[in-house]
Amino acid sequence: QSVLTQPPSMSGAPGQRVTISCTGTSSNIGAGYYVHWYQQVPGAAPKRLIYGNSNRPAGVPDRFSGSKSGTSASLAITGLQAEDEADYYCQSYDTSLPGWVFGGGTKLTVL
Amino acid sequence: EVQLVESGGGLVKPGGSLTLSCAGSAFIFNSFSMTWVRQAPGKGLEWVSTISSGSSHIYYADSVKGRFTISRDNAKNSLFLHMNSLRAEDTAIYYCARGYSAGWPEINFDYWGQGTLVTVSS
Repeated sequence: QSVLTQPPSMSGAPGQRVTISCTGTSSNIGAGYYVHWYQQVPGAAPKRLIYGNSNRPAGVPDRFSGSKSGTSASLAITGLQAEDEADYYCQSYDTSLPGWVFGGGTKLTVL
Repeated sequence: EVQLVESGGGLVKPGGSLTLSCAGSAFIFNSFSMTWVRQAPGKGLEWVSTISSGSSHIYYADSVKGRFTISRDNAKNSLFLHMNSLRAEDTAIYYCARGYSAGWPEINFDYWGQGTLVTVSS
């Protein structure tokens, strides 16, 4: 069981908006630590998508956005495209371990 | 372009040992923390171990503490993971990742290698 909780799967039609949640506790997200998001397409290494809660690295489309509130964070994808079909993971730091933690991952299917 | 290339994976018997390597290029290796992340077949990402740029801070996941040792050779731009007492549940793709930091311990992983597969089986 992962320290950060994500829905195992989500789906959406092309053009739609989807939001993936990441729920933590008072020892990680709720303690004020940043949340970061990664995208992993099948057979490839993960790729950083969002860092520092809401920052996009160069080259990441502005269809992807991140936010954080309290003990939770969210990744929003607007204008869903077929190429967005992938696994998405949130990540933060947990002071109780201490160490870095990932969510269990969300498999996004584009219908 | 930043590159991370892992090597050293393979088939090992339970209780055996293996050492993974990760070669970094096109960046100032001794300025960044480095991390190992693993992914069991069909499963999610699991943080394994992190070492700071000068090796002064080292952390391990509870699942590998006492069995795995992370180290680095900044002169050779290399990261290592020495794995002992391997178990079937250690079977996974092992990725090395560069740490991008906004201040310790706020680390995220901005570049990843392609991974190396470790299979623990008799």
